[in-house]
Amino acid sequence: QQQVKQSPQSLIVQKGGISIINCAYENTAFDYFPWYQQFPGKGPALLIAIRPDVSEKKEGRFTISFNKSAKQFSLHIMDSQPGDSATYFCAAHSWGKLQFGAGTQVVVTP
Amino acid sequence: GAGVSQSPSNKVTEKGKDVELRCDPISGHTALYWYRQSLGQGLEFLIYFQGNSAPDKSGLPSDRFSAERTGESVSTLTIQRTQQEDSAVYLCASSLNPGRGETQYFGPGTRLLVL
Repeated sequence: QQQVKQSPQSLIVQKGGISIINCAYENTAFDYFPWYQQFPGKGPALLIAIRPDVSEKKEGRFTISFNKSAKQFSLHIMDSQPGDSATYFCAAHSWGKLQFGAGTQVVVTP
Repeated sequence: GAGVSQSPSNKVTEKGKDVELRCDPISGHTALYWYRQSLGQGLEFLIYFQGNSAPDKSGLPSDRFSAERTGESVSTLTIQRTQQEDSAVYLCASSLNPGRGETQYFGPGTRLLVL
């Protein structure tokens, strides 16, 4: 049973547009929520992360919104660029381990 | 500095053969993880080593899978009697402070194809 549910499975956005990826979880023991970015043929790399005592975190064009009561969090990519085309994974941490979502393939068209 | 390295980068084997995959974590990282990523899928947790503690093997899919780690250094994932469904990318990651969910640094993976 997948502990972190991610949607959509894929999305296409025009250059300059906003990409939004959503994740939901059930386990209230999760205490850290990172997003990883993966390019083809590479391992995932940390993009941005948030702890549940914060509702929003912004780093450059990337923003995490966190809703603790709804047990949901999302990644917003503003002013999407072709170089942002990749697969994005949300994750949730407890007891030293990360549970990953299924991933979202983002394609940014020129 | 050097990141997580994995070898081989690609491995083709015949059904029923054993394979060994190697991971060299970042120096000083106490935690080491193995994941499996099937084509177009997410990351499936396999096993977690933390210092000298007993490893968390809860993600290993069958007793054909095993892993060892030498101290806080190299780890080897072994798959015995490989099956076609074992074909996937096997990713290794290491972390300095896993207790707070700190960053996991991933290697490039080993792409395993079982014929």
